[in-house]
Amino acid sequence: DQQVKQNSPSLSVQEGRISILNCDYTNSMFDYFLWYKKYPAEGPTFLISISSIKDKNEDGRFTVFLNKSAKHLSLHIVPSQPGDSAVYFCAARTSGTYKYIFGTGTRLKVLA
Amino acid sequence: KAGVTQTPRYLIKTRGQQVTLSCSPISGHRSVSWYQQTPGQGLQFLFEYFSETQRNKGNFPGRFSGRQFSNSRSEMNVSTLELGDSALYLCASSLRGGAGTTDTQYFGPGTRLTVL
Repeated sequence: DQQVKQNSPSLSVQEGRISILNCDYTNSMFDYFLWYKKYPAEGPTFLISISSIKDKNEDGRFTVFLNKSAKHLSLHIVPSQPGDSAVYFCAARTSGTYKYIFGTGTRLKVLA
Repeated sequence: KAGVTQTPRYLIKTRGQQVTLSCSPISGHRSVSWYQQTPGQGLQFLFEYFSETQRNKGNFPGRFSGRQFSNSRSEMNVSTLELGDSALYLCASSLRGGAGTTDTQYFGPGTRLTVL
């Protein structure tokens, strides 16, 4: 049972435009959500996180939105740059644990 | 500050063998988590250690085990290897980890295990 789903395996965006990566979850007990970026042959790198008590968090070009009623999370990258090309994973943590559930990833390609 | 290191980076084993993977966390980090990444499955949580104690465990068979030493270094062992165990095994460390904390997990580059 995949509790965290990234339904788009890949996404292509033109440089300078907005990239929107989506993530859906099923477990209402998740209290903390994160986005990671992964380049080939490297481990995932933390990007941005959001607590379930918030609906938006920004960090530079990256903004994460949380819609708890829809159990939906999205990452916006504005403007997109070629260096953003990577696989993006969303992850969620169950309240009261330190166990993170990851999605299957979305491969973002930013075209120059 | 050195990052999370994992050894070996690549490993080839045959079915039935056992394997031990090593992870050295960032200096000062006491929480170490292990994940398995396979194509199409994303990262699957294996277990998390803090102060030599396993605090959280994922849904993996007992063939997967781990331990943490007093210096926070961690090892993961897989016994009786199966073809399906071929994967990238990632280790992540954080300062304290634990329920309720939001300290960042830093990942190592992973160990690519191939089972023939």
